[in-house]
Amino acid sequence: NAGVTQTPKFRVLKTGQSMTLLCAQDMNHEYMYWYRQDPGMGLRLIHYSVGEGTTAKGEVPDGYNVSRLKKQNFLLGLESAAPSQTSVYFCASSLGTQTTQYFGPGTRLLVL
Amino acid sequence: QQQVKQSPQSLIVQKGGIPIINCAYENTAFDYFPWYQQFPGKGPALLIAIRPDVSEKKEGRFTISFNKSAKQFSLHIMDSQPGDSATYFCAASTGGGNKLTFGTGTQLKVEL
Repeated sequence: NAGVTQTPKFRVLKTGQSMTLLCAQDMNHEYMYWYRQDPGMGLRLIHYSVGEGTTAKGEVPDGYNVSRLKKQNFLLGLESAAPSQTSVYFCASSLGTQTTQYFGPGTRLLVL
Repeated sequence: QQQVKQSPQSLIVQKGGIPIINCAYENTAFDYFPWYQQFPGKGPALLIAIRPDVSEKKEGRFTISFNKSAKQFSLHIMDSQPGDSATYFCAASTGGGNKLTFGTGTQLKVEL
């Protein structure tokens, strides 16, 4: 049981480049989330999904897109990376509302 | 607008001491208050959670105190150990809500 896994672990992008972060969970959870973590800002929700085929905006969605084509996967896309998107990105999943969110190990992204 | 305010930003205690981390919220619709613990290079993990129908909850050495009228809650770590050195985040969500609002985190160091 791997829990929540994230790919890649680290990535360097140039401004304007695009990339996709992959999150996978093997706990059959309905809910999945993408957060970004910045120093002094805590964790901020980017987008989330309450089930396969659904997505919704969180607190800081601008510049990001997501897709949940399969229940176990949640993809986060950056169409045109900006230095302000330099951050550590965490994916999480949960069984339902107000239940434990299980976090992945994070993806460190540097945009130059 | 920071809906959950956390303090202090950092905290150093001696082994055996009782660090206390405080959080205050504004949204009276919040009714689920978890605390997450994060070690360097790892994703956050749920430590303990409370709902407003109780004023205190203990799990091992960790205790949450909740003051509904003051809209405040706090984490106490009894007999703190160097292994408790981590960043702690409080969070809150509304009934039926899918989203957690996190505090900005407290970096705790427990010295020998």
